[in-house]
Amino acid sequence: DGGITQSPKYLFRKEGQNVTLSCEQNLNHDAMYWYRQDPGQGLRLIYYSQIVNDFQKGDIAEGYSVSREKKESFPLTVTSAQKNPTAFYLCASLMLGELFFGEGSRLTVL
Amino acid sequence: EDQVTQSPEALRLQEGESSSLNCSYTVSGLRGLFWYRQDPGKGPEFLFTLYSAGEEKEKERLKATLTKKESFLHITAPKPEDSATYLCAVGNNQGGKLIFGQGTELSVKP
Repeated sequence: DGGITQSPKYLFRKEGQNVTLSCEQNLNHDAMYWYRQDPGQGLRLIYYSQIVNDFQKGDIAEGYSVSREKKESFPLTVTSAQKNPTAFYLCASLMLGELFFGEGSRLTVL
Repeated sequence: EDQVTQSPEALRLQEGESSSLNCSYTVSGLRGLFWYRQDPGKGPEFLFTLYSAGEEKEKERLKATLTKKESFLHITAPKPEDSATYLCAVGNNQGGKLIFGQGTELSVKP
Protein backbone atom coordinates (compact mmCIF):
# COMPACT_ATOMS: atom_id res chain seq x y z
CA ASP A 1 0.00 0.00 0.00
CA GLY A 2 1.14 3.56 -0.63
CA GLY A 3 2.06 5.67 2.33
CA ILE A 4 4.68 7.15 4.58
CA THR A 5 6.86 4.97 6.78
CA GLN A 6 8.65 6.37 9.79
CA SER A 7 11.21 4.49 11.84
CA PRO A 8 11.94 3.80 14.55
CA LYS A 9 8.59 4.20 16.31
CA TYR A 10 10.30 4.62 19.68
CA LEU A 11 13.85 5.84 20.28
CA PHE A 12 15.82 6.53 23.42
CA ARG A 13 18.90 8.72 23.40
CA LYS A 14 21.48 9.80 25.90
CA GLU A 15 22.27 13.46 26.19
CA GLY A 16 25.00 14.52 23.77
CA GLN A 17 24.16 11.94 21.11
CA ASN A 18 22.89 12.64 17.64
CA VAL A 19 20.03 10.51 16.35
CA THR A 20 18.51 10.15 12.89
CA LEU A 21 14.82 9.51 12.25
CA SER A 22 13.91 7.84 8.98
CA CYS A 23 11.03 8.89 6.70
CA GLU A 24 10.28 7.06 3.46
CA GLN A 25 7.34 7.60 1.10
CA ASN A 26 6.13 5.71 -1.98
CA LEU A 27 3.44 8.22 -2.92
CA ASN A 28 5.65 9.93 -5.51
CA HIS A 29 5.08 13.28 -3.76
CA ASP A 30 7.59 16.06 -4.31
CA ALA A 31 7.12 17.93 -1.03
CA MET A 32 7.98 16.46 2.37
CA TYR A 33 7.83 17.88 5.88
CA TRP A 34 8.99 17.28 9.42
CA TYR A 35 6.86 18.42 12.34
CA ARG A 36 7.38 18.25 16.07
CA GLN A 37 4.45 17.73 18.45
CA ASP A 38 4.55 18.40 22.19
CA PRO A 39 1.67 17.78 24.64
CA GLY A 40 -0.98 20.50 24.46
CA GLN A 41 0.69 22.21 21.50
CA GLY A 42 0.02 22.21 17.83
CA LEU A 43 2.37 20.76 15.25
CA ARG A 44 5.43 22.94 14.70
CA LEU A 45 7.33 22.84 11.43
CA ILE A 46 11.02 21.89 11.65
CA TYR A 47 12.12 21.57 8.00
CA TYR A 48 10.48 21.05 4.65
CA SER A 49 11.60 20.12 1.17
CA GLN A 50 9.69 20.88 -2.00
CA ILE A 51 12.10 19.11 -4.35
CA VAL A 52 15.08 16.77 -4.30
CA ASN A 53 18.36 18.37 -3.18
CA ASP A 54 16.57 21.40 -1.74
CA PHE A 55 15.11 22.11 1.69
CA GLN A 56 14.12 25.07 3.86
CA LYS A 57 14.06 25.79 7.56
CA GLY A 58 10.73 25.84 9.30
CA ASP A 59 9.84 27.66 12.50
CA ILE A 60 12.00 25.59 14.89
CA ALA A 61 14.98 24.35 12.84
CA GLU A 62 17.69 25.03 15.44
CA GLY A 63 19.35 21.80 16.57
CA TYR A 64 18.02 19.78 13.63
CA SER A 65 19.36 18.88 10.19
CA VAL A 66 17.89 17.15 7.13
CA SER A 67 18.88 15.87 3.72
CA ARG A 68 16.88 15.15 0.55
CA GLU A 69 19.06 13.09 -1.74
CA LYS A 70 16.17 10.99 -3.05
CA LYS A 71 12.54 11.84 -3.71
CA GLU A 72 11.40 8.99 -1.50
CA SER A 73 13.52 9.80 1.55
CA PHE A 74 13.71 12.74 3.97
CA PRO A 75 15.68 11.80 7.11
CA LEU A 76 15.82 14.09 10.14
CA THR A 77 18.84 14.28 12.43
CA VAL A 78 18.32 15.52 15.96
CA THR A 79 21.68 16.87 17.05
CA SER A 80 23.12 17.39 20.50
CA ALA A 81 22.53 21.11 19.97
CA GLN A 82 18.78 20.62 20.35
CA LYS A 83 18.15 21.59 23.96
CA ASN A 84 14.81 19.86 24.47
CA PRO A 85 14.60 16.98 21.98
CA THR A 86 12.08 14.76 23.80
CA ALA A 87 8.96 14.90 21.60
CA PHE A 88 6.79 13.15 19.04
CA TYR A 89 8.11 13.67 15.50
CA LEU A 90 5.86 13.48 12.46
CA CYS A 91 6.88 13.24 8.82
CA ALA A 92 4.45 14.16 6.06
CA SER A 93 4.24 14.57 2.30
CA LEU A 94 2.05 16.97 0.35
CA MET A 95 -0.07 16.53 -2.73
CA LEU A 96 -2.80 18.89 -3.98
CA GLY A 97 -2.82 20.77 -0.69
CA GLU A 98 -3.35 17.68 1.48
CA LEU A 99 -0.74 16.49 3.97
CA PHE A 100 -0.30 12.73 4.38
CA PHE A 101 1.31 11.80 7.68
CA GLY A 102 3.38 8.89 8.87
CA GLU A 103 2.71 7.17 12.19
CA GLY A 104 5.32 9.20 14.03
CA SER A 105 8.52 8.58 16.00
CA ARG A 106 8.67 9.20 19.73
CA LEU A 107 12.10 10.31 20.91
CA THR A 108 13.00 10.28 24.59
CA VAL A 109 16.25 11.70 25.92
CA LEU A 110 17.44 9.96 29.06
CA GLU B 1 1.45 36.85 11.82
CA ASP B 2 -0.54 33.83 10.67
CA GLN B 3 -2.25 32.13 13.58
CA VAL B 4 -4.74 29.35 14.33
CA THR B 5 -6.59 29.01 17.63
CA GLN B 6 -8.82 26.07 18.50
CA SER B 7 -11.44 25.93 21.24
CA PRO B 8 -12.21 24.35 23.54
CA GLU B 9 -8.93 22.64 24.42
CA ALA B 10 -10.88 19.62 25.68
CA LEU B 11 -14.50 18.58 25.29
CA ARG B 12 -16.32 15.77 27.07
CA LEU B 13 -19.63 14.58 25.63
CA GLN B 14 -22.11 11.86 26.34
CA GLU B 15 -22.85 9.50 23.49
CA GLY B 16 -25.48 11.13 21.29
CA GLU B 17 -24.83 14.66 22.60
CA SER B 18 -24.13 16.84 19.54
CA SER B 19 -21.65 19.72 19.74
CA SER B 20 -19.20 21.85 17.75
CA LEU B 21 -15.46 22.50 17.76
CA ASN B 22 -14.15 25.93 16.77
CA CYS B 23 -11.11 26.94 14.75
CA SER B 24 -10.38 30.68 14.49
CA TYR B 25 -7.70 31.85 12.11
CA THR B 26 -5.82 34.85 10.79
CA VAL B 27 -3.86 34.20 7.64
CA SER B 28 -2.28 36.11 4.77
CA GLY B 29 -4.11 34.67 1.79
CA LEU B 30 -6.02 31.54 2.74
CA ARG B 31 -5.00 28.56 0.65
CA GLY B 32 -7.29 26.09 2.35
CA LEU B 33 -8.44 25.15 5.84
CA PHE B 34 -7.82 21.56 6.87
CA TRP B 35 -9.28 19.33 9.56
CA TYR B 36 -7.43 16.26 10.83
CA ARG B 37 -8.23 13.57 13.37
CA GLN B 38 -5.41 12.21 15.54
CA ASP B 39 -5.61 9.13 17.75
CA PRO B 40 -3.12 8.79 20.65
CA GLY B 41 0.36 7.81 19.47
CA LYS B 42 -0.64 7.99 15.80
CA GLY B 43 -0.14 10.39 12.93
CA PRO B 44 -2.99 12.75 11.99
CA GLU B 45 -5.59 11.45 9.54
CA PHE B 46 -7.06 13.80 6.94
CA LEU B 47 -10.76 14.64 7.25
CA PHE B 48 -11.68 17.74 5.21
CA THR B 49 -10.35 20.64 3.16
CA LEU B 50 -12.38 23.85 2.82
CA TYR B 51 -11.32 26.62 0.45
CA SER B 52 -13.89 29.41 0.54
CA ALA B 53 -16.36 31.01 2.94
CA GLY B 54 -19.72 29.30 2.87
CA GLU B 55 -18.29 25.93 1.90
CA GLU B 56 -19.46 22.86 3.82
CA LYS B 57 -18.35 19.23 3.77
CA GLU B 58 -19.73 16.16 5.52
CA LYS B 59 -18.45 12.74 6.43
CA GLU B 60 -20.58 10.40 8.53
CA ARG B 61 -21.30 12.26 11.82
CA LEU B 62 -18.93 15.14 11.01
CA LYS B 63 -19.69 18.36 9.18
CA ALA B 64 -17.16 21.13 8.58
CA THR B 65 -18.11 24.71 7.75
CA LEU B 66 -16.05 27.78 6.90
CA THR B 67 -16.45 31.56 7.29
CA LYS B 68 -13.90 34.30 6.63
CA LYS B 69 -12.61 34.12 10.19
CA GLU B 70 -13.38 30.65 11.53
CA SER B 71 -14.35 27.08 10.88
CA PHE B 72 -16.59 24.77 12.84
CA LEU B 73 -16.49 21.01 13.06
CA HIS B 74 -19.98 19.88 13.99
CA ILE B 75 -20.36 16.42 15.51
CA THR B 76 -23.87 14.99 15.37
CA ALA B 77 -24.86 12.20 17.76
CA PRO B 78 -21.24 11.26 18.54
CA LYS B 79 -20.16 7.75 19.43
CA PRO B 80 -17.26 6.66 21.68
CA GLU B 81 -15.18 5.84 18.59
CA ASP B 82 -15.24 9.55 17.69
CA SER B 83 -12.98 10.19 20.69
CA ALA B 84 -9.71 11.69 19.41
CA THR B 85 -7.85 14.96 19.09
CA TYR B 86 -9.10 17.10 16.22
CA LEU B 87 -6.55 19.39 14.58
CA CYS B 88 -7.23 22.40 12.41
CA ALA B 89 -4.65 23.89 10.02
CA VAL B 90 -4.54 26.65 7.42
CA GLY B 91 -2.42 27.07 4.32
CA ASN B 92 -1.13 30.56 3.49
CA ASN B 93 0.18 32.23 0.36
CA GLN B 94 3.81 31.45 1.22
CA GLY B 95 3.62 28.13 -0.51
CA GLY B 96 3.50 24.63 0.92
CA LYS B 97 3.33 25.40 4.64
CA LEU B 98 0.45 24.66 7.00
CA ILE B 99 -0.06 26.42 10.32
CA PHE B 100 -1.67 24.17 12.94
CA GLY B 101 -3.81 24.94 15.94
CA GLN B 102 -3.15 23.21 19.25
CA GLY B 103 -6.05 20.81 18.81
CA THR B 104 -9.26 19.91 20.66
CA GLU B 105 -9.26 16.67 22.62
CA LEU B 106 -12.70 15.11 22.32
CA SER B 107 -13.89 12.39 24.68
CA VAL B 108 -17.25 10.69 24.10
CA LYS B 109 -18.54 8.56 26.96
CA PRO B 110 -21.10 5.75 26.44
